Amino acid sequence: QLQLVQSGPELKKPGSSVRVSCRASGGTFRYAVSWVRQAPGQGLQWMGRIIPLLGTTVYAQEFQGRVTITADRAATIAYMDLKGLGFEDTAVYFCAASTATGRTDADIWGQGTLVSVSS
Amino acid sequence: DIQMTQSPSTLSASVGDRVTITCRASQSIGSYLAWYQQKPGKAPKLLIYKASILDNGVPSRFGGFGSGTEFTLTISSLQPDDFATYYCQQYDPNSGTFGQGTKVQI
Repeated sequence: QLQLVQSGPELKKPGSSVRVSCRASGGTFRYAVSWVRQAPGQGLQWMGRIIPLLGTTVYAQEFQGRVTITADRAATIAYMDLKGLGFEDTAVYFCAASTATGRTDADIWGQGTLVSVSS
Repeated sequence: DIQMTQSPSTLSASVGDRVTITCRASQSIGSYLAWYQQKPGKAPKLLIYKASILDNGVPSRFGGFGSGTEFTLTISSLQPDDFATYYCQQYDPNSGTFGQGTKVQI
């Protein structure tokens, strides 16, 4: 059964960058992989998605130029790179994917990765 | 980007109540609408996709309706396990905005 396993927590300085990985365990990504973040006590914020088999990406306007989502063509691992970190980027970052081809909603989620930005 | 307006932000209800949450899109999204349930400290769980299709294993007391710009999530008879926060998400081919969330509390 496909599961998503994310990398561990990160502590970063303001102005630096972070990379969070998301590995497909027990299979490969069927279609789209999305990245979603949640600041403490706040709602869900969609950041962007990639379709690894096509190599196509879409980003939320508020993250354009600051986030890069990549994946290997074997569709086994995806990455989210966020640069220019500020205190407001402190959040839990989730990867999410669909187990069905052609769908861009997400029926499986990673466990989340806490990224803390502190001086 | 498409904006999603979800209401109410908080909903107080009792076990057995019928509850409805509304989500409005700033432009037509067809049926590219999903509903998620999230409990504290956990990842969201998909309940409904394509506006009205229940994901595998989701109880039939959950129902989704709508298309275009107006959507609803209804829980026909609230159960203790249903007290959580619910989010709508539009996932058209070029974006994926979430609503602000609805906390269903006792």
